[in-house]
This record gives sequence, structure tokens and C-alpha cells, in this order.
Amino acid sequence: KNQVEQSPQSLIILEGKNCTLQCNYTVSPFSNLRWYKQDTGRGPVSLTIMTFSENTKSNGRYTATLDADTKQSSLHITASQLSDSASYICVVSAGYGQNFVFGPGTRLSVLP
Amino acid sequence: DSGVTQTPKHLITATGQRVTLRCSPRSGDLSVYWYQQSLDQGLQFLIQYYNGEERAKGNILERFSAQQFPDLHSELNLSSLELGDSALYFCASSGLAGSYNEQFFGPGTRLTVL
Repeated sequence: KNQVEQSPQSLIILEGKNCTLQCNYTVSPFSNLRWYKQDTGRGPVSLTIMTFSENTKSNGRYTATLDADTKQSSLHITASQLSDSASYICVVSAGYGQNFVFGPGTRLSVLP
Repeated sequence: DSGVTQTPKHLITATGQRVTLRCSPRSGDLSVYWYQQSLDQGLQFLIQYYNGEERAKGNILERFSAQQFPDLHSELNLSSLELGDSALYFCASSGLAGSYNEQFFGPGTRLTVL
């Protein structure tokens, strides 16, 4: 069964600190993996997208990694800001890329 | 502001009823996606249209249907509503049909079924 798991479920950090969120997937065949940021009550915003051949992709303070062999991805946030408080969702596209499997998300809270 | 508009913002209705959610994609985008986000199931992909044609189907119930019109706006029809259909419904659009293309999400329609 195609599945995406994320850890931790929630995370609290202090402003300025770094953190890493994890995503494990059992989706086959793999097409691509995307990380979204979703503020409460709003639509998700794409942060990064990676295909099978990409190991790392950065978007400002956000850096995503992908290990296609172990089927794991991580999202590293550097020098966190209060505005980083949100849910971070990992999404894997399956088949010919037209089936999207969402993880449950990690709820990040950045405190002053 | 993503450029994707959804109406209405909120909708409250009763079980057994039928509702229509509307989405206007970003100018120039040909592909429209519908998603459901509920508290217990998270985000789920429902269906995708590209230039008026159905392109991909996800976990969409038979009671739900969608279409994309010649002007590229899309509607999601939900019928015989149940309490469990209460959720946020998002529409997203992208320029092309492939999953690698960035999707821009609208603000969502919050549906409450009483």
C-alpha cells in the first residue's frame, strides 16, 4: 500500500534554532517528492520538489534531501523564524506522477 | 495570494444535500486539482483536470463529481452529503499537467455538514 509517514508529529523550537523533519515513504513506482508548508487554515505552499536523481534541493533557509534507496527524505530549516510556525507536509507522487500520496504533516511551533 | 480563487469561503448545509464548489485557476494555468483536507485523514487528492479533460483520479467518492469548463474554471459537486464530508476543500492549479509542475493552492472552501 502506498504510504507516507512523517516524524515527529509535532515539534517546538526556539527562534534562531535549526530543526530537521523526516519523511519515510513506501510509494511505488516513485515519481517525485515535494515538501509543502501550510499555515493554519490556508492552502499549502510548495517549498521544494525532487525527482529520483536529485539528492538535495534548497529554497532559502529550507533544504530538502532525498535518499531514494532508503525511501527517506528530510527537510532542514536553518535559523528558524516565528513565521516558520506551520505544518510541513511531505507528498510523494506515484505511478506516472498523477497520484499524490500525502503524509500527515509535522506541526512546527517556533517560540520567541 | 496564489492567484487561485475559490468560492464560497464557507458553506454550511445539512446531510443529504448537494453543494457546488467553484474554483478559478491562475491566469494561463490549464490544470486544476481538487483536494480534501479533514482532521482525521489529512490532505487527500481527489481529481485533476487538464484543459477540460479529466487527467487523474484519486480518492474521490462516487457521490462527488467535478468538471472543468471551456474558460478553465472548475466545479466540484458533492451530493448526498454526510457528516464525514465536513472538511476543507482546496483547489490548486498548474500550468501543465505533469506532477512536477508547481501547484498553486487557493484559500479553500470550508464545508460543514450538520
